Amino acid sequence: DAKTTQPPSMDCAEGRAANLPCNHSTISGNEYVYWYRQIHSQGPQYIIHGLKNNETNEMASLIITEDRKSSTLILPHATLRDTAVYYCIVRVAGTASKLTFGTGTRLQVTL
Amino acid sequence: GAVVSQHPSRVICKSGTSVKIECRSLDFQATTMFWYRQFPKQSLMLMATSNEGSKATYEQGVEKDKFLINHASLTLSTLTVTSAHPEDSSFYICSATSGGGGQETQYFGPGTRLLVL
Repeated sequence: DAKTTQPPSMDCAEGRAANLPCNHSTISGNEYVYWYRQIHSQGPQYIIHGLKNNETNEMASLIITEDRKSSTLILPHATLRDTAVYYCIVRVAGTASKLTFGTGTRLQVTL
Repeated sequence: GAVVSQHPSRVICKSGTSVKIECRSLDFQATTMFWYRQFPKQSLMLMATSNEGSKATYEQGVEKDKFLINHASLTLSTLTVTSAHPEDSSFYICSATSGGGGQETQYFGPGTRLLVL
């Protein structure tokens, strides 16, 4: 699986949009971009994923650049409960396909 | 989204004993489940891939005789830590894959915190 690069930490004021970047310059054509987050002492939570088109769901939006070498996860109105470590992972399709977790971005949402 | 449960949520055991952790997919069937381990202030590390009806596939450096995995049904995988030692104390997390056709997504359980005394 391609390696991803994320900033180690970010801060965001509550109510503001949180934009979390991820670089995946060696991504292959058949690899998807997945985002998960892990709140302290809990299992990771799936947020969103995409292949090449921008995606939006009730939790977040995923913007993937046209060359697919980077992406941005957007939490439109961050709350204190969004404080977590966010992981950007690239992965090929398939039920047996593994997820390889990097160090992620620790997002701290403040009042 | 799909729900994955784990039991127990935390366990304390004496050194040398064995501990079994259950992972269940509650509202979907999963031919493949995964087991991860997470030490404090570190990221998740994949231990093994659990395949329904066949042997698990272990990652390099993970002792298959120490971490026994059984995936007897499409909704249940178990991880048994045999002869546990203090260095096995960790946060163990399972996941199960739902969906198909390029939309496969892994959903994670809440984790099991193991403390070996």
